[in-house]
Amino acid sequence: AQKVTQAQTEISVVEKEDVTLDCVYETRDTTYYLFWYKQPPSGELVFLIRRNSFDEQNEISGRYSWNFQKSTSSFNFTITASQVVDSAVYFCAPVYDPNAGGTSYGKLTFGQGTILTVHP
Amino acid sequence: EAGVAQSPRYKIIEKRQSVAFWCNPISGHATLYWYQQILGQGPKLLIQFQNNGVVDDSQLPKDRFSAERLKGVDSTLKIQPAKLEDSAVYLCASSTHTGELFFGEGSRLTVL
Repeated sequence: AQKVTQAQTEISVVEKEDVTLDCVYETRDTTYYLFWYKQPPSGELVFLIRRNSFDEQNEISGRYSWNFQKSTSSFNFTITASQVVDSAVYFCAPVYDPNAGGTSYGKLTFGQGTILTVHP
Repeated sequence: EAGVAQSPRYKIIEKRQSVAFWCNPISGHATLYWYQQILGQGPKLLIQFQNNGVVDDSQLPKDRFSAERLKGVDSTLKIQPAKLEDSAVYLCASSTHTGELFFGEGSRLTVL
């Protein structure tokens, strides 16, 4: 069965610290997409990034960066200089579908999530 | 741009009663999803619509859950009869062909 593991259930840091959230996935598919979503206390899931399995380039967006290692099936997320507003539950979510794309995008398999708390 | 709207935000019912949740996706989004999120877990896809047709409902407990999307816009998710284990947040999301899902704030169901 396909599986997503976010080994860190909860992480607590002090503001301005860097923090890395781990995600390891299992798939037999050669083509897939990987997503990260943020769920703040309001409950609404917010899209952060989508990564194609063919593209292993690391990506940086402001204080956020992602490290995709296909060889180890990991897609880790780093927040640099964390802020209190970063406090949320973060989900890693692969799309397992050989025809991923188009109408398949929504079939996300979410991990258990990592609860991040950033203290002032 | 208005986001995905869901109602009601909260609902408390007794087991064996019925409940319905409503979702209005972002205008122009052809694809609509319903997810179930049990406390402490990640969301699980229940059903996916493309316009008004069902793309995937393999994880929908069809003996008690039903969903429809009339005219390819709004959608309704119904549970009848409800069980204790149905207590969860029901999330609606919509997307265009780019694949980014936009989620509503969810409808929190408590079954007593």
